[in-house]
Amino acid sequence: DAGVIQSPRHEVTEMGQEVTLRCKPISGHDYLFWYRQTMMRGLELLIYFNNNVPIDDSGMPEDRFSAKMPNASFSNLKIQPSEPRDSAVYFCASSLGQGRDTEAFFGQGTRLTVV
Amino acid sequence: QKEVEQDPGPLSVPEGAIVSLNCTYSNSAFQYFMWYRQYSRKGPELLMYTYSSGNKEDGRFTAQVDKSSKYISLFIRDSQPSDSATYLCAMSAYNFNKFYFGSGTKLNVKP
Repeated sequence: DAGVIQSPRHEVTEMGQEVTLRCKPISGHDYLFWYRQTMMRGLELLIYFNNNVPIDDSGMPEDRFSAKMPNASFSNLKIQPSEPRDSAVYFCASSLGQGRDTEAFFGQGTRLTVV
Repeated sequence: QKEVEQDPGPLSVPEGAIVSLNCTYSNSAFQYFMWYRQYSRKGPELLMYTYSSGNKEDGRFTAQVDKSSKYISLFIRDSQPSDSATYLCAMSAYNFNKFYFGSGTKLNVKP
């Protein structure tokens, strides 16, 4: 398996524009996580899914953020409208979520810059 | 108060030194403790995990958990320049589904 795949790797957009970040989890993993990483706040969990269903979205900062998982092999995170303070690296991770030996596998991240 | 606290560093040590990285936490329900390593412009990768209290050793790395003090540590022996990265602690409760991360400690091992 190629691991968790995120696209794009880099995104530069103007304030007010819609941004869509994409993630393909590892095949067979039934948990998917979206994280945001900044120097100031570290790695923050935004939302996670189990079997394509959103379980906890308490970390989503505002209504401008939304995430969907239409099927087991794809998820997206949308920001509309984007603001400069949304600039961060966004990571997607997936895991089996079962038992003591589970771990979260991270993608390479999408570096978002909102100007 | 954040669930997991970690000193951001940076921590700079000479090659061969013993490195100690630490995290404290507030939630007594945490039972599963992990250390992730993140190289620059990469995603975090799992380095070690431990379940409940005690020590776990893997090569030059030792993870230590003290649940009574709500304190975890990662020790790196004979540190190498290739160990230069950001180290993040992470923890979860019984269901293992939601991971709480520290902010990460940036380590620089000088040749």
